Amino acid sequence: DAGVTQSPTHLIKTRGQQVTLRCSPKSGHDTVSWYQQALGQGPQFIFQYYEEEERQRGNFPDRFSGHQFPNYSSELNVNALLLGDSALYLCASSFNFGADTDTQYFGPGTRLTVL
Amino acid sequence: DAKTTQPPSMDCAEGRAANLPCNHSTISGNEYVYWYRQIHSQGPQYIIHGLKNNETNEMASLIITEDRKSSTLILPHATLRDTAVYYCIVRVAGAQKLVFGQGTRLTINP
Repeated sequence: DAGVTQSPTHLIKTRGQQVTLRCSPKSGHDTVSWYQQALGQGPQFIFQYYEEEERQRGNFPDRFSGHQFPNYSSELNVNALLLGDSALYLCASSFNFGADTDTQYFGPGTRLTVL
Repeated sequence: DAKTTQPPSMDCAEGRAANLPCNHSTISGNEYVYWYRQIHSQGPQYIIHGLKNNETNEMASLIITEDRKSSTLILPHATLRDTAVYYCIVRVAGAQKLVFGQGTRLTINP
């Protein structure tokens, strides 16, 4: 049973560019959440997708957008990249998270470096 | 979301039990305590969670005090592979996001 997968593993971009990160959830999961983890910090919630809709959003600007596909996979898009966007981007999947005992499972992350 | 407090770092000898404390004095009745760990540059790994009763799985045990204001994660026989940052998270029932703090950096020494 494959766990959460993310691609690419590493990415280098320059300021002002746009980037797309991809996530495939764990088998049987229908909900995808994205987190940003800056160096030395804990992960910070960006947003969550369920039924192809953004269900909740953290304190991130509109430059961060996402999409969920009918097969539950998801993309995170970041426009107009800033140096401060350099971070590990984590995807987590769950089954209709919101029930009391559902659990989010994380992928290995994508390391984004903005030069 | 209730706030959690963890020591920034701890050391433990290999083969001994590692006991990681977490304070969550403002926890409410419908909030669960979750533990994750993150080995360097990898994604967080789910360990265990509980509401009020003690819980045990193949990875660890979770002891929650009767007043639910604190908890302890126990790794019964720590190995070098248990060296990681451990996060204690309190999750509001129905909430979509996990709120991570700084965690405890646990170092297992040979």
